[in-house]
Amino acid sequence: DSGVTQTPKHLITATGQRVTLRCSPRSGDLSVYWYQQSLDQGLQFLIHYYNGEERAKGNILERFSAQQFPDLHSELNLSSLELGDSALYFCASSVDPIPPGGLAGGHQETQYFGPGTRLLVL
Amino acid sequence: ELKVEQNPLFLSMQEGKNYTIYCNYSTTSDRLYWYRQDPGKSLESLFVLLSNGAVKQEGRLMASLDTKARLSTLHITAAVHDLSATYFCAVEGNTGNQFYFGTGTSLTVIP
Repeated sequence: DSGVTQTPKHLITATGQRVTLRCSPRSGDLSVYWYQQSLDQGLQFLIHYYNGEERAKGNILERFSAQQFPDLHSELNLSSLELGDSALYFCASSVDPIPPGGLAGGHQETQYFGPGTRLLVL
Repeated sequence: ELKVEQNPLFLSMQEGKNYTIYCNYSTTSDRLYWYRQDPGKSLESLFVLLSNGAVKQEGRLMASLDTKARLSTLHITAAVHDLSATYFCAVEGNTGNQFYFGTGTSLTVIP
């Protein structure tokens, strides 16, 4: 058990709908990352939040959005769903401490992954 | 966009043998990560390589990074069945802190 929780585990919905995926990081971890894994696109980095602020954005569609709340949990919102959005969505967390003098220069810490949310769009 | 290639895509090896998985990437990066994924499961971080020449070892797995050649290797020593999984490398871009994943190497260790 990584200590990262994701809900729901499975989600079945229809095209055009909107869903929200939730991630709770390990206690003390400030960073949350979201990833998408599908058969045709493989593993893709979506977005990274650090202590409530967006730090990096990857191949995240405009129909998708995310946020990290003051208690550090994060939500990934997927709207106007299409068949191709069917995938496994993982979140991961890490400590990513800020070194003296400024923001962390990169992802130096090990990431701990949640069990994932399997989304099926029909 | 940074491209990451892994080879081989599929690897079937006998227990006790050694083998290497390769991860090539297209543009400069100083940070590379290796992950393991068991069938139907989530990802597990294996190694974080942060500089040229970095070498890390955990059990029968050893990872290295050559940033000048834009190459990382994951070496498996005396493979055992428990190492059967899919292994991914991921490269962090030098701008924007994004991650770019390889296609994965599906490893099957045969008794």
